[in-house]
Amino acid sequence: DQQVKQNSPSLSVQEGRISILNCDYTNSMFDYFLWYKKYPAEGPTFLISISSIKDKNEDGRFTVFLNKSAKHLSLHIVPSQPGDSAVYFCAASAGFGNEKLTFGTGTRLTIIP
Amino acid sequence: DAGVIQSPRHEVTEMGQEVTLRCKPISGHNSLFWYRQTMMRGLELLIYFNNNVPIDDSGMPEDRFSAKMPNASFSTLKIQPSEPRDSAVYFCASSFRVGVQDTQYFGPGTRLTVL
Repeated sequence: DQQVKQNSPSLSVQEGRISILNCDYTNSMFDYFLWYKKYPAEGPTFLISISSIKDKNEDGRFTVFLNKSAKHLSLHIVPSQPGDSAVYFCAASAGFGNEKLTFGTGTRLTIIP
Repeated sequence: DAGVIQSPRHEVTEMGQEVTLRCKPISGHNSLFWYRQTMMRGLELLIYFNNNVPIDDSGMPEDRFSAKMPNASFSTLKIQPSEPRDSAVYFCASSFRVGVQDTQYFGPGTRLTVL
């Protein structure tokens, strides 16, 4: 059973527009959420995170929103740039200091120049 | 820093053969993770170590898989015997556990193909 779901395998967005990547989770014990970005032939790299005590976290062009009641989070990229083309993984962990991450299947984002 | 180092980068083997994947974590990091990436299941945590001790191996698919961390700078993931369904990209990651949540740094992965 997939506890973290990314239902869109791919997404294409025009350069300069907003990219919105979505993630749903089923485990109500998850209280920390992360986004990782992955380029081809490289390992994933950490992008941004959010704790369940917040509903929004912003870092430059990247903002993550958390809706605990809907068990849904989203990553907004504004404005989208060609270098943002990558696979984005949503991940979650449960419990204070728990190192174990549960990842989704990823969404491939393509920014069209 | 060189980052997490994995070898080999690519491995092609025949069903039934033993496969050993290797990982060197970032110096000073005390947690090490092995993941497997497939299209269907995304990134799955197989096992992780803290201070060289296995903490959670619940993701190891079956007894054919084993992992060791003999010291702080080296870990192996072994598959014996290998099967075609083991074909995937295997990632090693490391972190320095100091607080609530510590960033995991991933290696470039080993692409395993079992024929």
